[in-house]
Amino acid sequence: GAVVSQHPSRVICKSGTSVKIECRSLDFQATTMFWYRQFPKQSLMLMATSNEGSKATYEQGVEKDKFLINHASLTLSTLTVTSAHPEDSSFYICSAATSGGPYNEQFFGPGTRLTVL
Amino acid sequence: AQSVTQPDIHITVSEGASLELRCNYSYGATPYLFWYVQSPGQGLQLLLKYFSGDTLVQGIKGFEAEFKRSQSSFNLRKPSVHWSDAAEYFCAVGLGYSTLTFGKGTMLLVSP
Repeated sequence: GAVVSQHPSRVICKSGTSVKIECRSLDFQATTMFWYRQFPKQSLMLMATSNEGSKATYEQGVEKDKFLINHASLTLSTLTVTSAHPEDSSFYICSAATSGGPYNEQFFGPGTRLTVL
Repeated sequence: AQSVTQPDIHITVSEGASLELRCNYSYGATPYLFWYVQSPGQGLQLLLKYFSGDTLVQGIKGFEAEFKRSQSSFNLRKPSVHWSDAAEYFCAVGLGYSTLTFGKGTMLLVSP
């Protein structure tokens, strides 16, 4: 149980185009989804937290107009990198959590490697 | 502010030798504690977690970790390392409402 998928696993795009990454909870309802970014040889950096049906909460320094997050259902969240540039190339990881307990564990997707040419 | 410290950026261990990866956290209350492993180009895999109860936690792949409240530590151990254990290891601390704070990671290299 508690499986989270991401699609695509890797994507290459041209500078200036937009890229959408999907994150799905396959066997549970995810009240909250998280999006992380990981640069080579670094730790995960939280970009934003999204709750189903609400606007995402972005971490300081993350441009919400550049990284659009939609959490339209309890099993799907999307991250759209708009007008991507080479500096947006990174490994993007999503996670999903349920609600109701004193602490609700995050379950991680396998990640998406974005390369912007 | 809460923080997670993994003091070793990388560690090299001989295959078959024992391993201990250190993790310290700074937080007022007892947090929820996790260890994840990440192979190159892959996502995170949960090795083990501590929420409450027995402070010695068993995980997958022969790993264990011990929560020591007095030292604010949650060190990861394995009695005999295999070459396939070479990877990046992240300690993480869970605070309120599903949030996670990650350490910077420790890269484990396994020598023959």
